[in-house]
Amino acid sequence: QVQLQESGPGLVKPSQTLSLTCTVSGASISSGGCYWTWIRQHPGKGLEWIGYIYYSGSTYSNPSLKSRVTISLDTSQNQFSLKLSSVTPADTAAYYCAREYYYGSGSFAIDYWGQGTLVTVSS
Amino acid sequence: SSELTQDPAVSVALGQTVRITCQGDSLRSYYVGWYQQKPGQAPAVVIYGKNNRPSGIPDRFSGSSSGNTASLTITGAQAEDEADYYCNSRDSSGNHLVFGGGTKLTVL
Repeated sequence: QVQLQESGPGLVKPSQTLSLTCTVSGASISSGGCYWTWIRQHPGKGLEWIGYIYYSGSTYSNPSLKSRVTISLDTSQNQFSLKLSSVTPADTAAYYCAREYYYGSGSFAIDYWGQGTLVTVSS
Repeated sequence: SSELTQDPAVSVALGQTVRITCQGDSLRSYYVGWYQQKPGQAPAVVIYGKNNRPSGIPDRFSGSSSGNTASLTITGAQAEDEADYYCNSRDSSGNHLVFGGGTKLTVL
């Protein structure tokens, strides 16, 4: 059974960098076909894709956040990480790490999710 | 377009059938995934691909697609189906993920 678990500070000061790590068990982050993904949800709002990293190390991120987002892999720890720089209170949200899997023929699905972690940006 | 559009809210009487829709240009190229989210929980996939249900998802959930519109149908809605439902796909470039705004399903 694949499991993902987010970890990191629950409180970040404005202008600082939000850093979260996702620990994956039950699957190797070096597996092809898997896109290791960060998603956030502002309180009471919908889901927003932040970005993903492929096992090869290639990354894509939401154009609205792109200049502030860094996603990296640590294959030795089977973890991937998110850094979001220059945060403001508008970045307060629940942050989820997840696995998107490509099933072929144009079919993707986010099949495993972490439980989510609430990050508050406040001084 | 990289957007997916959903109705904000839908209601259904207990035991009846409800359809939740998702529209977007990228759906002509990529299948949609449907996710159920209950309060305080992470989303969970209920339908993906042409019409695939993960293990443990009741067969009252089904999916279909035509042109730029995908649909999630719940046949015989149960009280436990009351939740927010999100659709998701890749955008037309294939490199970015996009989500619909979500549909709040109320079971009356």
